[in-house]
Amino acid sequence: GEDVEQSLFLSVREGDSSVINCTYTDSSSTYLYWYKQEPGAGLQLLTYIFSNMDMKQDQRLTVLLNKKDKHLSLRIADTQTGDSAIYFCAEIGDTGRRALTFGSGTRLQVQP
Amino acid sequence: EAEVAQSPRYKITEKSQAVAFWCDPISGHATLYWYRQILGQGPELLVQFQDESVVDDSQLPKDRFSAERLKGVDSTLKIQPAELGDSAMYLCASSLTGTGYGYTFGSGTRLTVV
Repeated sequence: GEDVEQSLFLSVREGDSSVINCTYTDSSSTYLYWYKQEPGAGLQLLTYIFSNMDMKQDQRLTVLLNKKDKHLSLRIADTQTGDSAIYFCAEIGDTGRRALTFGSGTRLQVQP
Repeated sequence: EAEVAQSPRYKITEKSQAVAFWCDPISGHATLYWYRQILGQGPELLVQFQDESVVDDSQLPKDRFSAERLKGVDSTLKIQPAELGDSAMYLCASSLTGTGYGYTFGSGTRLTVV
């Protein structure tokens, strides 16, 4: 079945760039997503990319997709303390199951 | 901005008791999902509805979990009897198209089984 993997933890200093990485196994993935979750809260969609794109920029966020290697990354420029949260990579494929498959999340800690 | 409503926000129940969660999706969203998120893990799909029909419940522990969406609008997820391992966040999401684009999540119900 589908599998999405992420590193567990990332610590950066305020003002630096953060890069969160994700790998997935489903070659039929059509949409890939980044969600943010703050403590005790639901999931907030940050950005997404279609599988026929290799880069998408949205203000401080840059998503890079290497479809050959099934690798997705999220870069946050000028990271702020308010960016501290858990970031989930998720994918949905072009198969009968039309539900998001999530990674286990990367906890981003931003130090002042 | 339209939201997915879930209740209750928090629930504490004793082992072997029954518990139910409610979700009201965004108006017009035909696809509704229930996810379970164990602490420290990503959400895992329990059940997916298209209107009132179940399209995927392969990961739903059917001996104790049930889900319904009788009129194709709001939905209820029930656990009977609850076990200690059911302690988790239960998230509801809805989507207009079912493609993943436009998923909106509710704030979740935090269940603690004691």
